[in-house]
Amino acid sequence: DAKTTQPPSMDCAEGRAANLPCNHSTISGNEYVYWYRQIHSQGPQYIIHGLKNNETNEMASLIITEDRKSSTLILPHATLRDTAVYYCIVRVASGYSTLTFGKGTMLLVSP
Amino acid sequence: KAGVTQTPRYLIKTRGQQVTLSCSPISGHRSVSWYQQTPGQGLQFLFEYFSETQRNKGNFPGRFSGRQFSNSRSEMNVSTLELGDSALYLCASSLTGNGETQYFGPGTRLLVL
Repeated sequence: DAKTTQPPSMDCAEGRAANLPCNHSTISGNEYVYWYRQIHSQGPQYIIHGLKNNETNEMASLIITEDRKSSTLILPHATLRDTAVYYCIVRVASGYSTLTFGKGTMLLVSP
Repeated sequence: KAGVTQTPRYLIKTRGQQVTLSCSPISGHRSVSWYQQTPGQGLQFLFEYFSETQRNKGNFPGRFSGRQFSNSRSEMNVSTLELGDSALYLCASSLTGNGETQYFGPGTRLLVL
């Protein structure tokens, strides 16, 4: 699976959009981009995933660049409860593939 | 639909003891994966089970083992506990493990004294 690069930390004001970047320059054509988050000492929570088209669900939006070498997770109106470590993971679309977690981005949402 | 459940949530053991952790996957999910999370090593893959068979294994010593039952529930066992085994143990389930999204449970926090 391709490796990902994320900033170690980001800050966001409550109510503003949080834009979390991820670089995955060696991604292959059959690899998805997944986002999970982990609130302190809890299990990782699935947020969203995509292959090449932009995706949106009730939690977030995922924007993938046309060359697929980077992506951005957008939380449109961040709340204090969105404070967590956010992981960007690349994994193949078929066959068993373990989730390889990096260090992620620690997002701190402040009042 | 209920999520992934793990029991117990917290556990304290002493060195040399053994421990068994349990994971019940989301109803209908047949693949269960186990991960260990420590401050130093982050989240690391232990093993994956599907249809009562271990299909994939991470780079952990043989003291770490697991099994899966016919109802897809899974257990993992750690024998001869060491201080370094103190960690958050997470399990995740997916339908068949064939590229689908994995959903995590809340984890079991193990402290080895």
